[in-house]
Amino acid sequence: EVQLVESGGGVIQPGGSLRLSCAASDFSVSSTYMSWVRQAPGKGLEWVSLIYAGGSTYNADSVKGRFIISRDDSRNTLYLQMNSLRADDTAVYYCATKTENYPHAFDIWGRGTMVTVSS
Amino acid sequence: SYELTQPPSLSVSPGQTATITCSGDKLGDKYAFWYQQKPGQSPVLVIYQDRKRPSGIPERFSGSNSGNTATLTISGTQALDEADYYCQAWDSSTVVFGGGTKLTVL
Repeated sequence: EVQLVESGGGVIQPGGSLRLSCAASDFSVSSTYMSWVRQAPGKGLEWVSLIYAGGSTYNADSVKGRFIISRDDSRNTLYLQMNSLRADDTAVYYCATKTENYPHAFDIWGRGTMVTVSS
Repeated sequence: SYELTQPPSLSVSPGQTATITCSGDKLGDKYAFWYQQKPGQSPVLVIYQDRKRPSGIPERFSGSNSGNTATLTISGTQALDEADYYCQAWDSSTVVFGGGTKLTVL
């Protein structure tokens, strides 16, 4: 079964760094695009970062210069390195991707990992 | 940057038709996608490429996209359809979500 499992969330002080992981099962993270999407408490979905199969990466303006998306093909894992964290980065972070059946969509989502930025 | 606008909330009675709109500049020239999210759960894809339903999504869910507006229609709305709904589109190589619409069935 295609599955994504996020980890690495926690409580971090403003200005700190955190690395999130998203372990994939039953498909290769290098075979398609993968993305991080976050949701602040009581708020809507916000796209954060994307990495294409070819390795190109894109970030939302709100995290540009602070967050880095990457993947380790040997570990079949997606990462999000988050630096210079701010209170408004507090959110549940989901990783998401698509299967072959649904072009351009995000039909596979993890359960999310909570990041709290607070002193 | 590209923006998608949704009404914050919508209320319908059981059995009625719920119509949720998503507006964006020339959105009809892009594909629209819709996700359902219930409290404490991850989003679920309910419509892709404007009007297609993923496997397992009931036929009462349908979509359209033309001009500046994409629409998610839920016919014969049921209590279990109560959720937040988000539209999504691609703008060049980046992803955009609408602000979400809270659908209440009462």
